[in-house]
Amino acid sequence: EADIYQTPRYLVIGTGKKITLECSQTMGHDKMYWYQQDPGMELHLIHYSYGVNSTEKGDLSSESTVSRIRTEHFPLTLESARPSHTSQYLCASRDRGNNSPLHFGNGTRLTVT
Amino acid sequence: AQRVTQPEKLLSVFKGAPVELKCNYSYSGSPELFWYVQYSRQRLQLLLRHISRESIKGFTADLNKGETSFHLKKPFAQEEDSAMYYCALNHNFNKFYFGSGTKLNVKP
Repeated sequence: EADIYQTPRYLVIGTGKKITLECSQTMGHDKMYWYQQDPGMELHLIHYSYGVNSTEKGDLSSESTVSRIRTEHFPLTLESARPSHTSQYLCASRDRGNNSPLHFGNGTRLTVT
Repeated sequence: AQRVTQPEKLLSVFKGAPVELKCNYSYSGSPELFWYVQYSRQRLQLLLRHISRESIKGFTADLNKGETSFHLKKPFAQEEDSAMYYCALNHNFNKFYFGSGTKLNVKP
């Protein structure tokens, strides 16, 4: 079934660890996005990609990095996690049409102790 | 700059009452606006988009360019409508900006 998948759903790690949040979609979408959301707050765009080998930073400054080597895969990496990175991370994708909507994954709730 | 504003964090209504969730935006071009909904323990999902001019689950939203608003309305709220609702603006056909969300609580 065509969908967008995020793993893990929950992650608790210690300060200084390197982590990668996985996001994969089987919908054939070119555009993919990472949003960060704190409880009760709006979603903030931190990274996006128009296609393979394309990555751009969003409006919210983030110490994370992303890569887009394959159309379906858009992982997010934190080289050295800190408590300030504790948040929910949402991955989304959309078709290439101008008015096409975003499709979201289930999110990864990250806690850095 | 705040592009999408949802002034109400929480909206409580009784079942069968009308409901209106407010959304205001700031954008100089022709806006593409969406409403997303998140039910308990589920992912964020599209509810409706203004370009489709459709009614989904009894909800409608009208774009008012003069008031820069895109309020979500339903004449008779149901308990299953209880959820978080987010208004979103598609900026230059590439980035989506979201409001902070309104929690709708429909009481029996």
